[in-house]
Amino acid sequence: ILNVEQSPQSLHVQEGDSTNFTCSFPSSNFYALHWYRWETAKSPEALFVMTLNGDEKKKGRISATLNTKEGYSYLYIKGSQPEDSATYLCAWGAWGAGNMLTFGGGTRLMVKP
Amino acid sequence: GAVVSQHPSRVICKSGTSVKIECRSLDFQATTMFWYRQFPKQSLMLMATSNEGSKATYEQGVEKDKFLINHASLTLSTLTVTSAHPEDSSFYICSATAGDRGPWTGELFFGEGSRLTVL
Repeated sequence: ILNVEQSPQSLHVQEGDSTNFTCSFPSSNFYALHWYRWETAKSPEALFVMTLNGDEKKKGRISATLNTKEGYSYLYIKGSQPEDSATYLCAWGAWGAGNMLTFGGGTRLMVKP
Repeated sequence: GAVVSQHPSRVICKSGTSVKIECRSLDFQATTMFWYRQFPKQSLMLMATSNEGSKATYEQGVEKDKFLINHASLTLSTLTVTSAHPEDSSFYICSATAGDRGPWTGELFFGEGSRLTVL
């Protein structure tokens, strides 16, 4: 089993703090890397889908970078707000893996007002 | 964005009974839907991929006779847990891609998930 690891598992920050999480994945046969935000009792919502080494994507205060050669992606949140509290999932897609996206265990972010 | 609706959100059943979970794409046609399972403190694990009008493709270790998947239309896929047992208690969630984009380059649209408890 090829693992996708996310760190930290959980994170508590104060409102206004900036934060970042890591997603590590196998560097071989890379095809795509997804980030999702999953709020409690809601559906996971796509943030980014990245396919190219060096990709940087941004949506509002959230941005992500991708390094396929070393097998990691960073998700950054600038000026965290309480509504950013959620679990952030990454998922790795690889050539030859069929339809399988391998998900990490997620990083649970809690932003205190 | 595209909306996927999943029902029921919670279900409790007795051991030996069957449970059906529905996953509907409300505003797009989902040629392919994916079913995932998540045990406590673990990652989402793909169980099977269903394509409209054809048999589902199951991942290794997933019993196709226990987890029946039907994708009879472009907007509906169902997962039936047959003869459920306590070890089948888990969180089940569906997802779909819109149009002809695969799960690698196209984002997944998820349902809300269904928590199954088998007594």
